[in-house]
Amino acid sequence: EDKVVQSPLSLVVHEGDTVTLNCSYEVTNFRSLLWYKQEKKAPTFLFMLTSSGIEKKSGRLSSILDKKELFSILNITATQTGDSAIYLCAGSNNAGNMLTFGGGTRLMVKP
Amino acid sequence: EADIYQTPRYLVIGTGKKITLECSQTMGHDKMYWYQQDPGMELHLIHYSYGVNSTEKGDLSSESTVSRIRTEHFPLTLESARPSHTSQYLCASSPPAGGPRTDTQYFGPGTRLTVL
Repeated sequence: EDKVVQSPLSLVVHEGDTVTLNCSYEVTNFRSLLWYKQEKKAPTFLFMLTSSGIEKKSGRLSSILDKKELFSILNITATQTGDSAIYLCAGSNNAGNMLTFGGGTRLMVKP
Repeated sequence: EADIYQTPRYLVIGTGKKITLECSQTMGHDKMYWYQQDPGMELHLIHYSYGVNSTEKGDLSSESTVSRIRTEHFPLTLESARPSHTSQYLCASSPPAGGPRTDTQYFGPGTRLTVL
């Protein structure tokens, strides 16, 4: 059975701190790893990673995939209170039809 | 990004009522999904569809049913609502195979259902 595990479960930091969120996966016929941000309602897409070692970056957020060690990290630099959310990662298989979601990391950024 | 809509956004209803949660997307996505999520908990896939007239049950057993008569529309129905159905229901869709974002699921805003 496919499995995605995220750590830590929750994290409290202060504005300006840098955080690293972890995601390990066991997905049969793995193809891609996706990161989402979920605030009060629905998850919004952040990144999709398919290649090992290539960093994807969007503003203060960046992510990288290690297909040998089966994990990904999401980095957020200079955190702001608006970064407070649950961050979800999900693995996709090569059929691309299903996502296996992790349990999420709840990030709280204090002023 | 996909334009995906869900109605109603909030619903409070009594036990035993039949309800239909609506989900529509305007991007021509062939794949559509329904997830159930309790507050602070994981997403659980309850139904999915790969295209018109295709529906499958997901990992989490659900008493709901779905239909896919049109590409853009994927409604979820509960024949007889119970308090145990109280949850958030999220609809998602993803593009056809072959494109750069084919694995990406785009989520609607969700329907928060409370059954009294």
